[in-house]
Amino acid sequence: GENVEQHPSTLSVQEGDSAVIKCTYSDSASNYFPWYKQELGKRPQLIIDIRSNVGEKKDQRIAVTLNKTAKHFSLHITETQPEDSAVYFCAASRGDKIIFGKGTRLHILP
Amino acid sequence: DGGITQSPKYLFRKEGQNVTLSCEQNLNHDAMYWYRQDPGQGLRLIYYSQIVNDFQKGDIAEGYSVSREKKESFPLTVTSAQKNPTAFYLCASTMSNTEAFFGQGTRLTVV
Repeated sequence: GENVEQHPSTLSVQEGDSAVIKCTYSDSASNYFPWYKQELGKRPQLIIDIRSNVGEKKDQRIAVTLNKTAKHFSLHITETQPEDSAVYFCAASRGDKIIFGKGTRLHILP
Repeated sequence: DGGITQSPKYLFRKEGQNVTLSCEQNLNHDAMYWYRQDPGQGLRLIYYSQIVNDFQKGDIAEGYSVSREKKESFPLTVTSAQKNPTAFYLCASTMSNTEAFFGQGTRLTVV
């Protein structure tokens, strides 16, 4: 079945440095790729998304890139801050169901 | 106030019991989803529904059942056939290929 692989499972970066999380997907019909942030004890919330007709999208310190040929997409967070500490999920959708990766726990070190 | 509401927040189940988790949305979204969240396992899809009176199995549907009699409601029943039901359950809704909104979740514990 459809699958989304996400790496790494845990990531620690110094405050102010950049963080990169990578995902691959198996269903070539996927055309929507959202990223969610889940803080401890809270529900996941959308932070950025990208559609298959776009290669890159940026929103302030957050950017997402998509390589449709390789079925890869990545989340880039620059100038990391303590409030960026959370679990991040990538996902892929073809319009019916949304399949999530297993998540990356991001730690921002002081 | 628009949103998606899950209840209860905490639920305890005895061995052999069926329990039903509620999910209601007033966002007029067509699609609704149930996910199970376990530590290190991410969000695993249990069931999803695109329209009223229709739903499909996800990756881990065994031991669960759903109904979609109204657009606003998508209850999940955890049956006694689910051997390891202790988990955090999240409901979500979306219009096709747009942002999914999640409920606050239900933490189910077997006692």
